[in-house]
Amino acid sequence: DADVTQTPRNRITKTGKRIMLECSQTKGHDRMYWYRQDPGLGLRLIYYSFDVKDINKGEISDGYSVSRQAQAKFSLSLESAIPNQTALYFCATSDPGTSRDTQYFGPGTRLTVL
Amino acid sequence: GNSVTQMEGPVTLSEEAFLTINCTYTATGYPSLFWYVQYPGEGLQLLLKATKADDKGSNKGFEATYRKETTSFHLEKGSVQVSDSAVYFCALRNPMDSSYKLIFGSGTRLLVRP
Repeated sequence: DADVTQTPRNRITKTGKRIMLECSQTKGHDRMYWYRQDPGLGLRLIYYSFDVKDINKGEISDGYSVSRQAQAKFSLSLESAIPNQTALYFCATSDPGTSRDTQYFGPGTRLTVL
Repeated sequence: GNSVTQMEGPVTLSEEAFLTINCTYTATGYPSLFWYVQYPGEGLQLLLKATKADDKGSNKGFEATYRKETTSFHLEKGSVQVSDSAVYFCALRNPMDSSYKLIFGSGTRLLVRP
């Protein structure tokens, strides 16, 4: 089984709809991240969390919110989706211990906003 | 600020050809450097990393050397295989950044033909 899972894998929605993307991990890592990937732009950080009570904005947080329901779960919400939020979204985790430089990514959620 | 620049793709090679994907960076201090690979339909996987100048990261026949004097971390492989076809991302982490976020280049698509 995959260590970092994301649901759904694909989603098509309409402008103005509320969307939630979910991420779960079995790696036991405290740190979790949400990135978006756009063609030609690499990945950019949306939000990150170092534990259940710690939520921080990344470089492109406008239009997004997150919830850290448990150590293993980190959800990303689009309160009112717009077409320029069409992208590939990745969740990642890391361990502040010996491998803290390494992030482990989920398979991604492809979101299309019409 | 911190940034990563990598060569545009796609890079198309025949099997057993030599591969170089160029990556240069701009950063304050001494960043950690990474190469991640994204196979079709999957999330990013760490390929290799280097955490200080002159370190060489290697994995699966790929290698990259942290060159501080030229601020580069070029990815090389002596003989590519069809199974190496993927998108390759160069990334850095600035140890002065408390978010531990990764800053990615735009990615380089590699296509290896039989």
